[in-house]
Amino acid sequence: GENVEQHPSTLSVQEGDSAVIKCTYSDSASNYFPWYKQELGKRPQLIIDIRSNVGEKKDQRIAVTLNKTAKHFSLHITETQPEDSAVYFCAASIKKGRSGGSNYKLTFGKGTLLTVNP
Amino acid sequence: DTGVSQDPRHKITKRGQNVTFRCDPISEHNRLYWYRQTLGQGPEFLTYFQNEAQLEKSRLLSDRFSAERPKGSFSTLEIQRTEQGDSAMYLCASSLGLGAYEQYFGPGTRLTVT
Repeated sequence: GENVEQHPSTLSVQEGDSAVIKCTYSDSASNYFPWYKQELGKRPQLIIDIRSNVGEKKDQRIAVTLNKTAKHFSLHITETQPEDSAVYFCAASIKKGRSGGSNYKLTFGKGTLLTVNP
Repeated sequence: DTGVSQDPRHKITKRGQNVTFRCDPISEHNRLYWYRQTLGQGPEFLTYFQNEAQLEKSRLLSDRFSAERPKGSFSTLEIQRTEQGDSAMYLCASSLGLGAYEQYFGPGTRLTVT
C-alpha cells in the first residue's frame, strides 16, 4: 500500500520567516495530495491541496509544490505568524474503484510540529 | 455549525465493555470515512462508506469493530470487548464525491479504555 514519509518532525522558526515541510510518497498512482493543520485538541483542518495534474498551487501565504517524477511534495508557509503554530500533516490518496464506488482514502504522514516564535 | 459532528467527544470505558460512536457528515456528502489517530501519529484509515454501502475496510479493523451507515446519512462505529490498545481518537470525515476529493473532518471522539 501507499507509504508517506514526512520531514521534519519538528520545526521552529521566528515570526516572519518561511517554513517548509516535505513529504514523499511511494505509490506513483497517488493523484491527490492534501495538507491538514491540526491544533492541539482540535480536528484536522484542510488548508490546501493539489492534484497530480498540477505542479504548484498557492493560497495567500501558503503554497504546495508537487514533483511527480521524484514522488515528493512540499508545503511552504511564508511570513509565518504565531497562529501558524500547529501540527501539519501531509497525505496522499489513490482513487480505488470498487463496485462503482471510488475510495479516496488518505494515507497520512506522521506530522510536523511547527512552532513560530514571536 | 454545518460541519461534520461527532458524539460523544470523550468516552472512558472499562476494558471489555462495548462502545458506540456516532458521526453526522456534512449534509449531502455521500462519502464518509472513519480514521483512528493515536498520539504523535497521523490519522489511519479504518473504513469507508459511499452512501449506505461500506466499500472498504482496513486490516486495522478487527472483528470487534463494526460500522454502519444505515440510511446513507449518519454513521456509527461500534467497538465490542474494548481493549486498552483501542484507546485513541476516532475521527470521521466526509466528502461530497462527484469528483470532489476534499475530506472534512469532525472533532473526533477520544476513547480511553481503562
